[in-house]
Amino acid sequence: AQSVTQPDIHITVSEGASLELRCNYSYGATPYLFWYVQSPGQGLQLLLKYFSGDTLVQGIKGFEAEFKRSQSSFNLRKPSVHWSDAAEYFCAVVVTTDSWGKFQFGAGTQVVVTP
Amino acid sequence: DAGVTQSPTHLIKTRGQQVTLRCSPISGHKSVSWYQQVLGQGPQFIFQYYEKEERGRGNFPDRFSARQFPNYSSELNVNALLLGDSALYLCASSFSSSTEAFFGQGTRLTVV
Repeated sequence: AQSVTQPDIHITVSEGASLELRCNYSYGATPYLFWYVQSPGQGLQLLLKYFSGDTLVQGIKGFEAEFKRSQSSFNLRKPSVHWSDAAEYFCAVVVTTDSWGKFQFGAGTQVVVTP
Repeated sequence: DAGVTQSPTHLIKTRGQQVTLRCSPISGHKSVSWYQQVLGQGPQFIFQYYEKEERGRGNFPDRFSARQFPNYSSELNVNALLLGDSALYLCASSFSSSTEAFFGQGTRLTVV
């Protein structure tokens, strides 16, 4: 079955430390891949997306993600975390053949930033 | 430019009642999608509309319905509310399908 998996439900990281959030997908073809961030009580903000081409994608707020076809992964990274990065992060895919823009989201990773 | 706007922001309803949620897409966007986000989970796809036609439906009961108007705004209706319908309902708009979607702040529905 098609799925998006975020293995880490919760991550705690110190301010200034690096952050990596994992995302794996299970689809027959390479889907369009996205990372969104959600602050408490808010909607979703797009951090970055991968459609094709360079497998290292730069996004907003200093985030980047790397697409690895062999591992069916699209992990999100940030070299130095700021307290304002505390939020929930969602990996999402769009499979265009029949989805007409239907996003499938992972369950999310809650990021806590400690001083 | 205004982003995606949803109304109301918060809503409390009683079991068995009906509710209508509203969404205005970004100007020029013709596609609107609806998602349900239960606390602690990722958003789940409910509907997508494009040019006023339903283009996709998620695995939700017939109590859920939606429509898109000529100005591309949209309404999501839920009948016979259950406690389990309590969630954040998100609307997303995009210029076309399968491209970047912009999400609204959501409507927090509480069913008591």
